[in-house]
Amino acid sequence: SQKIEQNSEALNIQEGKTATLTCNYTNYSPAYLQWYRQDPGRGPVFLLLIRENEKEKRKERLKVTFDTTLKQSLFHITASQPADSATYLCALDRSRGGQNFVFGPGTRLSVLP
Amino acid sequence: DAGITQSPRHKVTETGTPVTLRCHQTENHRYMYWYRQDPGHGLRLIHYSYGVKDTDKGEVSDGYSVSRSKTEDFLLTLESATSSQTSVYFCAISEPGTGRTTEAFFGQGTRLTVV
Repeated sequence: SQKIEQNSEALNIQEGKTATLTCNYTNYSPAYLQWYRQDPGRGPVFLLLIRENEKEKRKERLKVTFDTTLKQSLFHITASQPADSATYLCALDRSRGGQNFVFGPGTRLSVLP
Repeated sequence: DAGITQSPRHKVTETGTPVTLRCHQTENHRYMYWYRQDPGHGLRLIHYSYGVKDTDKGEVSDGYSVSRSKTEDFLLTLESATSSQTSVYFCAISEPGTGRTTEAFFGQGTRLTVV
C-alpha cells in the first residue's frame, strides 16, 4: 500500500543545533517533494520544493535532500532558533508530476532555549 | 497569507444536518482543494477542482460533495453531518506553471464540530 511517513511525531533540540527531519515514502514515484511549516491554529505554509533530479536544495538556514533510491527526503534546519518551533510536513505528488498532493503526518519540532 | 478566505472559521452543528463550507480566493489559481486534518492522520484530501465545474475525488470523499461554479469559489458540502466529520478543514489553491509544478497555498482553516 502507499504510505508516507515522517520519522517521529515530535523532536526536541537545543537552540543553535541542527534539526534533521525525515520523510519516507512507499509505493509512490514522485517527481517532486515539498516541505511545509504549520503553526498551531494556522494553515501550512510552503517552504521548499525539490525535484527528483535534484539532490539538494537550500534556502537560508534550510536544506532539503531527496534520495529517490532510498525513497527518502531529509529536511535540515541549521542554527535552530525557538522561532523554528512548529510542525513540519512533507508532501509529494500523488500522480507523478501532477497537482494532487499527499501529505505526511508531520513532525512537531520544539527548539529549546 | 495568499488571498484565500474560508468561512465560517468555526461551526458547531448537529448530527444529520447539511453543512456547507466556503473557500474564496482572489489569486485566480486554477486548482482548489479541500483537506481535513485530524490527529494521527495528518492532512487528507477530500476533493479537488482543476477548473470551473471540473472536480475530482480525493482519498476521503465519502459523505462530502463539492461545487465550483466560479474560479474564485469552491464549496464543500457535508450532506448529512456525522460525528466522524468533526475536524479542521483546510482549503488550498495552486497554479501549475508551464512545465513545472508549484506549491499549494492554504487558508486559515475551519474548525467544524458535529454534536
